Amino acid sequence: EDQVTQSPEALRLQEGESSSLNCSYTVSGLRGLFWYRQDPGKGPEFLFTLYSAGEEKEKERLKATLTKKESFLHITAPKPEDSATYLCAVEAVHGNKLVFGAGTILRVKS
Amino acid sequence: DSGVTQTPKHLITATGQRVTLRCSPRSGDLSVYWYQQSLDQGLQFLIQYYNGEERAKGNILERFSAQQFPDLHSELNLSSLELGDSALYFCASSASGQINNEQFFGPGTRLTVL
Repeated sequence: EDQVTQSPEALRLQEGESSSLNCSYTVSGLRGLFWYRQDPGKGPEFLFTLYSAGEEKEKERLKATLTKKESFLHITAPKPEDSATYLCAVEAVHGNKLVFGAGTILRVKS
Repeated sequence: DSGVTQTPKHLITATGQRVTLRCSPRSGDLSVYWYQQSLDQGLQFLIQYYNGEERAKGNILERFSAQQFPDLHSELNLSSLELGDSALYFCASSASGQINNEQFFGPGTRLTVL
């Protein structure tokens, strides 16, 4: 069964304090790995898709990387507006659906 | 604003009842996806429709059903409701039928079953 585990469950950072969120996955053939951001009471917002090990994508203060077993979302010099829940999801080659992790709740204090 | 609309925003009902949630995809998007998000289970994929046809099925209960109409809006019907069905229900849309196409999520419908 395809599984996605995100860590830590929650992360508190000071503004400007860089860190990384982890997404470990178990899937028999990865078609794609996705990162979403979700603000309280709202729907997830798409951030990145990664397809193969070694791939990296950047958007403002966020950078996503992918290995054969995990993905990292690096946050450089975060700001309070980066506070949100970050969700990771995978699509398996054999499957036809996204499997989501439980998410990491990020709080950035000024 | 993602361009995906969902109604109603909130729904409170009793056990055993039936409700219908409505979703309008972004203009031009042919795929609609339904998800359930609860505190204990996280975000779970329920079902996908592409241009009126069922494309993929996830963890959708037999008490739940969905359809996509010719104008591409979709409805999720939940029947014989139980307390455990209380959750946020999201609709998402994408341009193609491929799952790995970027999905745009609506604001959700919060269902409370009393």
